Amino acid sequence: EIVLTQSPATLSLSPGESATLSCRASQSVGSYLAWYQQKPGQAPRLLIYDASIRATGIPARFSGGGSGTDFTLTITSLEPEDFAVFYCQHRSTLPLTFGGGTRVDIK
Amino acid sequence: QVQLVQSGAEVKKPGASVKVSCKASGYTFSGYHIHWMRQAPGQGLEWMGWVNPNTGATKYAEKFQGRVTITWDMSITTAYMELSSLRSDDTAVFYCARDGVGSSIDYWGQGTLVTVSS
Repeated sequence: EIVLTQSPATLSLSPGESATLSCRASQSVGSYLAWYQQKPGQAPRLLIYDASIRATGIPARFSGGGSGTDFTLTITSLEPEDFAVFYCQHRSTLPLTFGGGTRVDIK
Repeated sequence: QVQLVQSGAEVKKPGASVKVSCKASGYTFSGYHIHWMRQAPGQGLEWMGWVNPNTGATKYAEKFQGRVTITWDMSITTAYMELSSLRSDDTAVFYCARDGVGSSIDYWGQGTLVTVSS
């Protein structure tokens, strides 16, 4: 199965700063990569799919990039509601797998 | 609007089975795969498997093969996930979710906490 490695594990930032999260795949997943945000006690929310397409209703401050094995999620000018755990997930082959997550917390 | 509503929390003893339901509404149930994921306390997400309600095809992650069964009832637009031979490390929140366009899993249920304890 394809292993997704996310880094860093934790990112401590202040509101207004930008965040760059990384997701590396153990083999190419093409552009079949999605990003999710999860807040405590809530289900994950789809942010980005196919590496760079924002899901419906997702603010423009969230952007995704990359292809093959290296992907990034960028959040420009963090809002208070953005602090959460973020997961990447591939859809290249079965089984689907998720990365271990990056926690973005308030500095 | 698309909604996935899951059944309530369960407490089970080791060795028992649990069956979680996922009621879909707001879209054509047969048109989209339903995924099931597990999330242990404080941990990440694990994909367990999926069902194609249109064809009946299922696919399970190797880790859960032999213990998980995903079924569905088209007449009530509901999917089910049954996990057997429960162990304490199966204590987790289980999510159903709809397969979306491209690489996305676009709508998620609220989650069902299953606690396995003697």
